[in-house]
Amino acid sequence: EVQLVQSGAEVKKPGESLKISCKGSGYIFTSYWIGWVRQMPGKGLEWMGIIYPGDSDTRYSPSFQGQVTISADKSISTAYLQWSSLKASDTAMYYCARQNGSSWYYWGQGTLVTVSS
Amino acid sequence: SYELTQPPSVSVSPGQTARITCSGDALPKKYAYWYQQKSGQAPVLVIYEDSKRPSGIPEKFSGSSSGTMATLTISGAQVEDEADYYCYSTDSSGNLWVFGGGTKLTVL
Repeated sequence: EVQLVQSGAEVKKPGESLKISCKGSGYIFTSYWIGWVRQMPGKGLEWMGIIYPGDSDTRYSPSFQGQVTISADKSISTAYLQWSSLKASDTAMYYCARQNGSSWYYWGQGTLVTVSS
Repeated sequence: SYELTQPPSVSVSPGQTARITCSGDALPKKYAYWYQQKSGQAPVLVIYEDSKRPSGIPEKFSGSSSGTMATLTISGAQVEDEADYYCYSTDSSGNLWVFGGGTKLTVL
């Protein structure tokens, strides 16, 4: 059974750094793209970027280029989303998702990030 | 930039057919996908490649696409279908991935 399990909720202060994770299981981790999606409180879904763990090919949506870093550690089947300096506007639910064919079919449960002074 | 436009809300009575539209300039050449998101839950794929239904999705959900508009149809909508629905596609280059703004379906 394919599963994406994300790390737990985080509460951080502005300016702090953060790395959240998405661990894949039940499939060959290096063979499928993983993407990250942001959902701000009460708002819609926004694509942030994707990574192919097999060769770490990473692509960012223009709105998020330079704002976050997406990475993966294939030795532990885990993808990451990180910030070097959080802002209050980074407060959101973050989802990881895995492709199946042409679709983003499998989704993690989400990680809530709260940034507040 | 590229945008997919959805109506903010659609409301139907139980048993009626709900239709949610998604317009985008690249839709004649690119597939549309539809996600259902219930309150507090992760999105669930209900339609892929314009009109295909993933395993486990009820037949009441169907999709179509014509020209610059894709449509999600929910036949015989029930209260349990109340959710936010998002279309997803890419721009003509395939390098920019976009969700529509979402449509809140109310069944009452």
